Amino acid sequence: AQSVTQLGSHVSVSEGALVLLRCNYSSSVPPYLFWYVQYPNQGLQLLLKYTTGATLVKGINGFEAEFKKSETSFHLTKPSAHMSDAAEYFCAVVLYNQGGKLIFGQGTELSVKP
Amino acid sequence: DSGVTQTPKHLITATGQRVTLRCSPRSGDLSVYWYQQSLDQGLQFLIQYYNGEERAKGNILERFSAQQFPDLHSELNLSSLELGDSALYFCASSVVPLGGGTTDTQYFGPGTRLTVL
Repeated sequence: AQSVTQLGSHVSVSEGALVLLRCNYSSSVPPYLFWYVQYPNQGLQLLLKYTTGATLVKGINGFEAEFKKSETSFHLTKPSAHMSDAAEYFCAVVLYNQGGKLIFGQGTELSVKP
Repeated sequence: DSGVTQTPKHLITATGQRVTLRCSPRSGDLSVYWYQQSLDQGLQFLIQYYNGEERAKGNILERFSAQQFPDLHSELNLSSLELGDSALYFCASSVVPLGGGTTDTQYFGPGTRLTVL
């Protein structure tokens, strides 16, 4: 069965510091992987996705993620945090044979200190 | 703005009642998904429809049901409500179902916050 684990329910960084949000997946087939962001009182917005091809994926707002098959990881990074990055971030994997439903990790809340 | 609309934005009701949540997918999207977000369960897939037909079912209670209409909007019906049903309910849409070689993206609506008192 496919699953997603996000390490750390809360991450706090200083403005300008590196952001690293960890995601590991379990899948018996090559996965499609996604990162979504949820700002307070809003819906989920797609940051980036990995399907096939280049393992380093660039998304919106300066975020990127690298698919590492050997480590079953898809960590999200941003070189320099902005105050506006404070939000909850969700890693997700899609199930191929079940209509394409997304399986989400538990989420990581990112706080950015001035 | 994702292009997915959900109404109402907030809903407050009492235990035992029945409510209907509505979702309009993005123009051209045939597939609709419903998710529940709660503090204890996180984001959980409930059910998916594709072009009017149920495609996949997740952890959806028997008290809950959904349908997708010919104009492709979808409704999620929640009945005999309990306190534990209080949650944020999201609808998402995509052109086609993900998987099976397709790589489409699910776009999420702003959600309906349900409070059961």
